[in-house]
Amino acid sequence: DAGITQSPRHKVTETGTPVTLRCHQTENHRYMYWYRQDPGHGLRLIHYSYGVKDTDKGEVSDGYSVSRSKTEDFLLTLESATSSQTSVYFCAVGGDSNQPQHFGDGTRLSIL
Amino acid sequence: RKEVEQDPGPFNVPEGATVAFNCTYSNSASQSFFWYRQDCRKEPKLLMSVYSSGNEDGRFTAQLNRASQYISLLIRDSKLSDSATYLCVVNVGGTGGFKTIFGAGTRLFVKA
Repeated sequence: DAGITQSPRHKVTETGTPVTLRCHQTENHRYMYWYRQDPGHGLRLIHYSYGVKDTDKGEVSDGYSVSRSKTEDFLLTLESATSSQTSVYFCAVGGDSNQPQHFGDGTRLSIL
Repeated sequence: RKEVEQDPGPFNVPEGATVAFNCTYSNSASQSFFWYRQDCRKEPKLLMSVYSSGNEDGRFTAQLNRASQYISLLIRDSKLSDSATYLCVVNVGGTGGFKTIFGAGTRLFVKA
């Protein structure tokens, strides 16, 4: 859709290991977002970025960090993964002013 | 009170039925409005924007009532393929910037 690629698409890892998810966009959007979605909770914003090196926390940012060194890439890192971070992670772009956000395909992360 | 509220459903309707979803928002600074569709285990996808004058896209009609702060989505002649979760989304603007708020979604099951 909006040229958004998330990688990996699926990952299984163990508690305590670091994990990095990547979101890549090709349409030069200024704003990028990371959400998690769990049964019964809907979409919850983790972090977002409003430009290169400009990021801010969302409602569920504890245990996560992000980086944006280039316009096209937004990385989400779990420094030490916990089982409570098992979820589906969606990256989104756009959403500035009166525009809608567009989502990537998602990453299914399981932490055992 | 949630900033964007939707009836969680599920709505179970037969093929060919007309179904209506309502959504209320609490922030009077809300500037733009959207309906998204999310299929099971997939990313949310923009279904349509909602304009003040109301708008239609095939079998789908969206309406906005700013005075009462609610948005509606009407689906006519329901198809099996309409089965999904429908998310009401609001962009709220202010001097500090803006934010996008997602409703928790309304599940629709269309049955033969």
